[in-house]
Amino acid sequence: IAGITQAPTSQILAAGRRMTLRCTQDMRHNAMYWYRQDLGLGLRLIHYSNTAGTTGKGEVPDGYSVSRANTDDFPLTLASAVPSQTSVYFCASSDGGEGAEAFFGQGTRLTVV
Amino acid sequence: GQNIDQPTEMTATEGAIVQINCTYQTSGFNGLFWYQQHAGEAPTFLSYNVLDGLEEKGRFSSFLSRSKGYSYLLLKELQMKDSASYLCAATDSNYQLIWGAGTKLIIKP
Repeated sequence: IAGITQAPTSQILAAGRRMTLRCTQDMRHNAMYWYRQDLGLGLRLIHYSNTAGTTGKGEVPDGYSVSRANTDDFPLTLASAVPSQTSVYFCASSDGGEGAEAFFGQGTRLTVV
Repeated sequence: GQNIDQPTEMTATEGAIVQINCTYQTSGFNGLFWYQQHAGEAPTFLSYNVLDGLEEKGRFSSFLSRSKGYSYLLLKELQMKDSASYLCAATDSNYQLIWGAGTKLIIKP
């Protein structure tokens, strides 16, 4: 099934641990994004990539890193998790042009304890 | 600064019409998206407006006024399955999406 896949679906993580959230798309979209969604707040952009080999910082990048080695994959790494990183994380992709619809993964619910 | 405002929650009756408003302030503006998000699920695309006016798509319509920094989503003939959060997002001058916190729509029988 074409689309965008995230793994894991949910995770409980001890504070201080390192964690990588995986994201893969098979739509050959140039642009990919990582958002976090917290209750009462809008989706907040963590990092983005306009094309393979490039990445950029979003609104809330601290404590997170990304890489874009190829078109399909865009992993998000938490180097040393803290409780404030408890959130639902969504990966998304789009063609990147004006009005381009963003397609979202099913989300990863992360709890840092 | 950049800001998107929309009501936190709205309630409507099955079969009725509801209008969800969104106001935006962004550094540059290119267009406005509406997404639907059911509880526990990912957002899905509903509409995109770049020109002033009303865009109709079945039971859903979206309106944009660039001069007023204002948009609304109109849902007609409400069904129980329309119970969801509706997210407004504006694209700034760099085509980055600025998201509102979403409006939770509750449909009652």
